[in-house]
Amino acid sequence: GDSVTQMEGPVTLSEEACLTINCTYTATGYPSLFWYVQYPGEGLQLLLKATKADDKGSNKGFEATYRKETTSFHLEKGSVQVSDSAVYFCALRGSTGTASKLTFGTGTRLQVTL
Amino acid sequence: EPEVTQTPSHQVTQMGQEVILRCVPISNHLYFYWYRQILGQKVEFLVSFYNNEISEKSEIFDDQFSVERPDGSNFTLKIRSTKLEDSAMYFCASSEQTYYGYTFGSGTRLTVV
Repeated sequence: GDSVTQMEGPVTLSEEACLTINCTYTATGYPSLFWYVQYPGEGLQLLLKATKADDKGSNKGFEATYRKETTSFHLEKGSVQVSDSAVYFCALRGSTGTASKLTFGTGTRLQVTL
Repeated sequence: EPEVTQTPSHQVTQMGQEVILRCVPISNHLYFYWYRQILGQKVEFLVSFYNNEISEKSEIFDDQFSVERPDGSNFTLKIRSTKLEDSAMYFCASSEQTYYGYTFGSGTRLTVV
């Protein structure tokens, strides 16, 4: 079945440092890929998405490129802020079925310090 | 921006009691979902719902769980006889098309004591 593997956290960075959170996936067909963010005490918010190979999703300075050859969708940001501290979830949505479910990774906690 | 609304935000219930978690999806969305997140763990799929019937359910979604769209706007998750291990954050989500991302609600924290 579909699965998502994320790098283990927590990740602790100083403000303005570069961020990469690795995500790889296993899926049949042509899944759509997503990054969700969960701020403390809040629900899940869609951060960015990519629906086909080589698409780049971007939002709020975050980027991720759908790499079919390496089955990866790594999240990157050039300069993190304290306000980026949150848990980040990589997810995929399968291409089969009527209402394809999201399969989530385990989440990576990011802590940004001054 | 349209939102998915969940009520209540927090519910405490005694073991063995029935609970109903309520969700109002975005009005033009067709696909509805429940997920749960046990504290500190991954987000897990429970059930998807389309065209007034369950499309898919996980092994977690056993006979004690049920979903309903009683009036065309609400989407409910019922847990018939709660257990301690049902304590979790429950998220409702809706989607316009299968290839779009979902919009999640802010969740209901269920505590079973």
